[in-house]
Amino acid sequence: AQTVTQSQPEMSVQEAETVTLSCTYDTSESNYYLFWYKQPPSRQMILVIRQEAYKQQNATENRFSVNFQKAAKSFSLKISDSQLGDTAMYFCAFMLRTYNNNDMRFGAGTRLTVKP
Amino acid sequence: NAGVTQTPKFRVLKTGQSMTLLCAQDMNHEYMYWYRQDPGMGLRLIHYSVGEGTTAKGEVPDGYNVSRLKKQNFLLGLESAAPSQTSVYFCASSFSGGPSTDTQYFGPGTRLTVL
Repeated sequence: AQTVTQSQPEMSVQEAETVTLSCTYDTSESNYYLFWYKQPPSRQMILVIRQEAYKQQNATENRFSVNFQKAAKSFSLKISDSQLGDTAMYFCAFMLRTYNNNDMRFGAGTRLTVKP
Repeated sequence: NAGVTQTPKFRVLKTGQSMTLLCAQDMNHEYMYWYRQDPGMGLRLIHYSVGEGTTAKGEVPDGYNVSRLKKQNFLLGLESAAPSQTSVYFCASSFSGGPSTDTQYFGPGTRLTVL
């Protein structure tokens, strides 16, 4: 079974600074996706960034980027120029890339607070 | 487009009561999902559907039933609610096939309390 571990229950960062959230996962498969979702106080789950395991290049989306280390099974999220609106729970998620299998597994989350 | 909507937003049940949560999506997605989120834990998949008329079990299916009679709707039923089912329930949907179509779009959630 695939598992996802987020070892940092809470983190804080000053506005405009950079913060990195950690995520590790366990799988024996080679073809999969990894995601970071953001959940603000409104509870809506919002996709931040996704990474396909077969791609060596790290994904980036504006101020958000990942450090994907496939051999180490690590998938960290870097938020640059942190903004107050980035305050939220962040969930790392794993999904196998197989036909008709969209079973996604989530980590327990990291609560990020951006301080003014 | 409204995206993914969930009805109701809040509900309080007594142990043993039954209820149905409704999820609707207007994006013509093939896949739909029901998750639960408990304090200190990530989302866990209850059931999912890969198309109209089909359903499959996820990680934590016990105590729940689902139906997908129409492509745009996915219903989650609790036949006899238990306090352990107190949780926030999220519905999600996604397209089928192709590497760019696996992103799941989530609804706003339903907070359910079972007394």
